[in-house]
Amino acid sequence: AQSVAQPEDQVNVAEGNPLTVKCTYSVSGNPYLFWYVQYPNRGLQFLLKYITGDNLVKGSYGFEAEFNKSQTSFHLKKPSALVSDSALYFCAWSPGWGTALIFGKGTTLSVSS
Amino acid sequence: SAVISQKPSRDICQRGTSLTIQCQVDSQVTMMFWYRQQPGQSLTLIATANQGSEATYESGFVIDKFPISRPNLTFSTLTVSNLSPEDSSIYLCSVSGGLAGFDEQFFGPGTRLTVL
Repeated sequence: AQSVAQPEDQVNVAEGNPLTVKCTYSVSGNPYLFWYVQYPNRGLQFLLKYITGDNLVKGSYGFEAEFNKSQTSFHLKKPSALVSDSALYFCAWSPGWGTALIFGKGTTLSVSS
Repeated sequence: SAVISQKPSRDICQRGTSLTIQCQVDSQVTMMFWYRQQPGQSLTLIATANQGSEATYESGFVIDKFPISRPNLTFSTLTVSNLSPEDSSIYLCSVSGGLAGFDEQFFGPGTRLTVL
């Protein structure tokens, strides 16, 4: 089945250090790839997307992601983590414009001060 | 972007009853979806709400259990029928294809349902 995988249930980093949240995809064709963040008791917030073009995508709150076709990955990165980045992060894909998202299982990011 | 509201934000219901969740968008959108997020889990697509026609359900979800309406381009409802404790989840509405030009998918704040 076509899917995205988030291999880590939890990622722990210290404030000020770079962070990476991993996502790999197993999708045929040219998928749309997304990252969303969910803060406690709040809805999902869109961070960034890759559809086509430049492999490095910049998004909200200083996050970026790199689309790597050879490694079928779309890892989320940030150069310097903040305690306020602590949240649940979801990678997702869709077949195209206007279609529903299919989510990975999520990765909890914990940033310690 | 789109601003999405859901009512109610949370509810506690008795087994065997039903709950209807409303989703209102502040602008016209082409696509509306309903998702379920069970405790500690990821989001699972329930159905696509089609304006003026029957919703399109994902495998494992049926109309009798999750009837959906979408009377216009800004509003949809999801009913969770014959509730059981296993229906305790967060239900989220999302929208895409804004006629104002956006193509990201935006999510409502969710409705937290607890079934006793």
